[in-house]
Amino acid sequence: QKEVEQNSGPLSVPEGAIASLNCTYSDRVSQSFFWYRQYSGKSPELIMSIYSNGDKEDGRFTAQLNKASQYVSLLIRDSQPSDSATYLCASKTPGAGSYQLTFGKGTKLSVIP
Amino acid sequence: GAVVSQHPSRVICKSGTSVKIECRSLDFQATTMFWYRQFPKKSLMLMATSNEGSKATYEQGVEKDKFLINHASLTLSTLTVTSAHPEDSSFYICSARDIPDGDQYFGPGTRLLVL
Repeated sequence: QKEVEQNSGPLSVPEGAIASLNCTYSDRVSQSFFWYRQYSGKSPELIMSIYSNGDKEDGRFTAQLNKASQYVSLLIRDSQPSDSATYLCASKTPGAGSYQLTFGKGTKLSVIP
Repeated sequence: GAVVSQHPSRVICKSGTSVKIECRSLDFQATTMFWYRQFPKKSLMLMATSNEGSKATYEQGVEKDKFLINHASLTLSTLTVTSAHPEDSSFYICSARDIPDGDQYFGPGTRLLVL
């Protein structure tokens, strides 16, 4: 069974600190991974996608992928109160058509001013 | 670009009635649309995958006769919750992609409350 695991949190960090969010996946077939941010009562918003081992940086966000360890992480530098949300990790897995996304349960992040 | 809309954003209905939710891709043609359901403090659960012009593929445990999905055009998919019950109350979210390997873009969601 394809699973994506995340620590539900909440993860609390002070404003300006680095927030580190982690995710593991069980399906070795998965090749692509995504981080979505979901504010309370809203739908998910794509933040980062990563396909290759190593780091991928976009502004204050860095995604890290280690396929050997089946581990994905998201670092948020200079955390802001507006970053407070639930962060969903997702893996791309074969499904109907071409692929579908399997989501973790999400990690709730609170950035304390 | 890549905007997906949903209508209505919120609906309250009586038990036993049917509710239709629309999902539209506004600036791209969506060959595939997905319907998700999210209960409070839970993650997104894929309900079905819908390819334009063909029948939807439902995930295990999702009743296809209860959750009717129509994807008649490249910009519109509808989800009809038939004979809704209070346990169907949830946040329903659609997503769409334009190419088979493309990113999924999510709609804003529809909050359904069945009394």
